[in-house]
Amino acid sequence: DVVMTQSPLSLPVTLGQPASISCRSSQSLVYSDGNTYLSWFQQRPGQSPRRLIYEVSNRDSGVPDRFSGSGSGADFTLKISRVEAEDLAIYYCLQGTHWPYTFGQGTKLEIK
Amino acid sequence: DVQLVESGGGLVQPGGSLRLSCGTSGFTFSHYYMTWVRHTPGKGLEWVANIGQDGSYKYYVDSLKGRFTISRDNAKNSLYLQMSSLRAEDTAVYYCARDTGKRTVDHWGQGTLVTVSS
Repeated sequence: DVVMTQSPLSLPVTLGQPASISCRSSQSLVYSDGNTYLSWFQQRPGQSPRRLIYEVSNRDSGVPDRFSGSGSGADFTLKISRVEAEDLAIYYCLQGTHWPYTFGQGTKLEIK
Repeated sequence: DVQLVESGGGLVQPGGSLRLSCGTSGFTFSHYYMTWVRHTPGKGLEWVANIGQDGSYKYYVDSLKGRFTISRDNAKNSLYLQMSSLRAEDTAVYYCARDTGKRTVDHWGQGTLVTVSS
C-alpha cells in the first residue's frame, strides 16, 4: 500500500500567521490519465471530515482562499496564508491514485 | 443539501456481526459511487470499501475482504456495510461518504461508532 507521511504531526501556530503542512507519498501519485489524485481534508473537533482541496490544488466550493494546495509527484503541501481560530483542526491528505486509497496520519493544528 | 446519515453502530462481542446503514438525500444517489471509511484510534482514517452506481463494482481493502460486504439499494437511497467475524481492531467510527468518481470523496456522514469488546 502507498504510505502517506505527513509532517509535522502537531503544528502550533499563532493566529494570523501562516501555516504549512507537508504530505509525502511512498510512490508517485501521477495516475495513468495524467492527473494526480491528492486531496486534503479538515476535521474539526466533534465533526466529520470536510474536503478542502482535490487533485492537488483545486479548492472546494465554500473553502476560504487562504487555503491552498500545491505539489507534484510524491511531495505535496497544504498552506494556510493566515490562520484563523476556526482553522484549528486535524488535517489529512488522501491519495486516490493507487488502490487501496490511503490517508496520512493527520496533522493537528493548534494554538501556540 | 447533501446529507448522509449512518446508523447501526453499537457494542458487539468479538466474533459477532453488525450491519451499518447510511441513508442519503439531497443528490441523485444512483449516480454516485459510495464509500465506507473508518477512523480507528490506532490507524487513523482507513478506506474500507467502494461500490459502483449499480452495485456491480465492489472494491475492498485486502485486510477486510471476506469479512465485510458493501451493498446498496438505489430505490431506498441507502448504502450498507455488513460486518462479520468482528475483532477488537475493527473498533472505529464508520463513515459513509459520497465518492465523486474522481478518486476522492466529498461529502461525509456524521459517523457511527462500532465497539468490539467482550
